[in-house]
Amino acid sequence: AQTVTQSQPEMSVQEAETVTLSCTYDTSENNYYLFWYKQPPSRQMILVIRQEAYKQQNATENRFSVNFQKAAKSFSLKISDSQLGDTAMYFCAFFSGYSTLTFGKGTMLLVSP
Amino acid sequence: DGGITQSPKYLFRKEGQNVTLSCEQNLNHDAMYWYRQDPGQGLRLIYYSQIVNDFQKGDIAEGYSVSREKKESFPLTVTSAQKNPTAFYLCASSIPGRIGSPLHFGNGTRLTVT
Repeated sequence: AQTVTQSQPEMSVQEAETVTLSCTYDTSENNYYLFWYKQPPSRQMILVIRQEAYKQQNATENRFSVNFQKAAKSFSLKISDSQLGDTAMYFCAFFSGYSTLTFGKGTMLLVSP
Repeated sequence: DGGITQSPKYLFRKEGQNVTLSCEQNLNHDAMYWYRQDPGQGLRLIYYSQIVNDFQKGDIAEGYSVSREKKESFPLTVTSAQKNPTAFYLCASSIPGRIGSPLHFGNGTRLTVT
């Protein structure tokens, strides 16, 4: 079974700064997808970014980018120019064709003025 | 607009009573999922359904039941056998068979059992 580990239960950053959230996973499969979801105080789950394992290029979405290290099974999320609206719980998730989506336990990010 | 509707947003029940959480989607997705969220636990899969009239247990199915009689609907019943039912419940849907298709989530139902 796949496991997803987020080792930072909480993080804080000041507005306009950059923060990196870490995620590691364990799998024996070679083809899979990784996701970062955001859950703001409204509790709506929002897809932030997606990475396909067979693509070497790191995914980017505006201020959000990932550092995907396949050999190390690491998938960190970098948020640049942090905004107050980025305050949320962030979940890393793993999916392969042989499983359902597996989530990490989340990292609570607080962006302060 | 297409989306997933969960109702109600807050639900209160007495211990020993069964309660059903509603989940309706108009995204024309075949696959639907129920997750439970507890503080510090992330999201844990309760049940999922890839197609109408078929569903599978997830990681924490004990004390729960589901039905999938229509493509649009995937209600979750929390039975009295569920020992710790108080939690936040999220319903989601996706397009099965399309590898990497992200989940679309509803806004969740907060269930409190006393």
